[in-house]
Amino acid sequence: GESVGLHLPTLSVQEGDNSIINCAYSNSASDYFIWYKQESGKGPQFIIDIRSNMDKRQGQRVTVLLNKTVKHLSLQIAATQPGDSAVYFCAENPNTGFQKLVFGTGTRLLVSP
Amino acid sequence: DVKVTQSSRYLVKRTGEKVFLECVQDMDHENMFWYRQDPGLGLRLIYFSYDVKMKEKGDIPEGYSVSREKKERFSLILESASTNQTSMYLCASSLDISGNTIYFGEGSWLTVV
Repeated sequence: GESVGLHLPTLSVQEGDNSIINCAYSNSASDYFIWYKQESGKGPQFIIDIRSNMDKRQGQRVTVLLNKTVKHLSLQIAATQPGDSAVYFCAENPNTGFQKLVFGTGTRLLVSP
Repeated sequence: DVKVTQSSRYLVKRTGEKVFLECVQDMDHENMFWYRQDPGLGLRLIYFSYDVKMKEKGDIPEGYSVSREKKERFSLILESASTNQTSMYLCASSLDISGNTIYFGEGSWLTVV
């Protein structure tokens, strides 16, 4: 079956550093990917998305890279701030017709001042 | 901005009680979803609905039912709560089935004692 995984469960960085959070997916038919941020006690918040016809998409301080050859997705956060501390997880749409996203379990990002 | 509102943030219920979790979205979205989130397991889909009065089972529907009488409202029902249903429940919505972003509510923490 489809699976979405993360390479690192916890990532610790210093304030001002750039952060890279990785995600592997297994379904080559997936056509849409989303990154979410979830702060403690809150619901997941949409950060950025990318469709399979793109390799890169940029937002405000965030960039998502998609490598379809190796089925890898990454989220880059520039100049990481303490407010970026949260759990980040990716989701893929395996294109089964009813938008049943498959979610990873998440990476915790810890930003030290 | 999309607003998905879960009316109950924290609930404590007794085993065997009937529990209703309510969710309302204000963006005229076609799709609505109920997930549960447990540590180490990520988000798991319980039920979803792609239209009024329509519902589809997700990955873990056992012990749950849903109701969608109006487009903006999607209710999750635990007919007889059990301790293994203690969890964080997340409601979500999306515009349609064509691979659009899913937006989440803030979550409902349910404890069954």
